Amino acid sequence: AQSVTQLGSHVSVSEGALVLLRCNYSSSVPPYLFWYVQYPNQGLQLLLKYTSAATLVKGINGFEAEFKKSETSFHLTKPSAHMSDAAEYFCAVSDSTGNQFYFGTGTSLTVIP
Amino acid sequence: GAGVSQTPSNKVTEKGKYVELRCDPISGHTALYWYRQSLGQGPEFLIYFQGTGAADDSGLPNDRFFAVRPEGSVSTLKIQRTERGDSAVYLCASSSRGGRSYNEQFFGPGTRLTVL
Repeated sequence: AQSVTQLGSHVSVSEGALVLLRCNYSSSVPPYLFWYVQYPNQGLQLLLKYTSAATLVKGINGFEAEFKKSETSFHLTKPSAHMSDAAEYFCAVSDSTGNQFYFGTGTSLTVIP
Repeated sequence: GAGVSQTPSNKVTEKGKYVELRCDPISGHTALYWYRQSLGQGPEFLIYFQGTGAADDSGLPNDRFFAVRPEGSVSTLKIQRTERGDSAVYLCASSSRGGRSYNEQFFGPGTRLTVL
């Protein structure tokens, strides 16, 4: 069975500060891992994905995530938060087909001016 | 080109009524997915189509839920005898190829269903 756990349903950071959103996964097979962002009243947008190539994955809008098998983690980071980063972030895991995603419960990011 | 579109954007209905939710995938995408997102939760998989057939419907919660994709493009999610617990945002996604290799899923904005 595959699942992800996102620690912290709400995270607040100051503008310009480091963003760190945590995701741990559970998978019986080598996983594909994803981070999606959801802005209010919009669909989910893919930020980045890990598909067994480089363990450090760079995504859009300056976000990146590192796959750490020993820690079963795929935490999302951004060096300097921007006001426009305020949104809901979801971590997801799938098998190699990508046919069925298992999403975490989401982390709401607030950026304080 | 256009992304995934879903109609209606909002649907309010009464308990016991029947509803249909529509998804228009990206043109040419053979794979289509339905998810349900309840308040404060992540999206939950419902069903996956490859072409016209449902390749995996293991996420449908019960037999009140049914989905079709008769021509391999537009899909309709149908809910019979709606219950208040069905209230959620229903998301649709499509990808260019399902099956044995990974392809990115593109999500629509969702339909917010409220059952009174």
